[in-house]
Amino acid sequence: EVQLVETGGGLIQPGGSLRLSCAASGFTVSSNYMSWVRQAPGKGLEWVSVIYSGGSTYYADSVKGRFTISRDNSKNTLYLQMNSLRAEDTAVYYCAGVQRVFHYWGQGTLVTVSS
Amino acid sequence: DIQMTQSPSSLSASVGDRVTITCRASQGISNSLAWYQQKPGKAPKLLLYAASRLESGVPSRFSGSGSGTDYTLTISSLQPEDFATYYCQQYYSTPSLTFGGGTKVEIK
Repeated sequence: EVQLVETGGGLIQPGGSLRLSCAASGFTVSSNYMSWVRQAPGKGLEWVSVIYSGGSTYYADSVKGRFTISRDNSKNTLYLQMNSLRAEDTAVYYCAGVQRVFHYWGQGTLVTVSS
Repeated sequence: DIQMTQSPSSLSASVGDRVTITCRASQGISNSLAWYQQKPGKAPKLLLYAASRLESGVPSRFSGSGSGTDYTLTISSLQPEDFATYYCQQYYSTPSLTFGGGTKVEIK
């Protein structure tokens, strides 16, 4: 059974940093496209970032230069390093895969950026 | 980036009703379209992809159609568990994937 479990969310002040993790089971992260998708409170879904099986990474313009997606193949885990956080980054962050169509989603982790 | 416009943004319907939701892309996306269902406090769930292919385990009352820029999600007979928000997503233009704004289906 495929499972994605996100951790690492919380309350952080503007300008701060946070690292989200997404532990996968039932499939191999490094063999698939893996994305982060976020949802601001009461709003729709927004694609944030993707890492391809070959290691290429891409970002939405809204987070480019501030967020970094990565993975640890030995831990079968996906990460999202978030720096210079802003109030508008407040959202539930989901990891999703395994291709461009999101067959699998984690339960989400809430990131709140507020002073 | 390709923009995805869903309509309506919300609708009220009764159990047993036929419901149709539309998604329009700002340019042709060659059937590279997925539909998701999201219930409050839960992660989205994939319903259909390639515009009309039903994900495993999804009831057959859900169907999809369309081509070019215009796509439709149809629920043939609305069930109580179908009250949720529905999103379309294009995956034609990668790596930047885009979602529609969502359609909330409420009980009349």
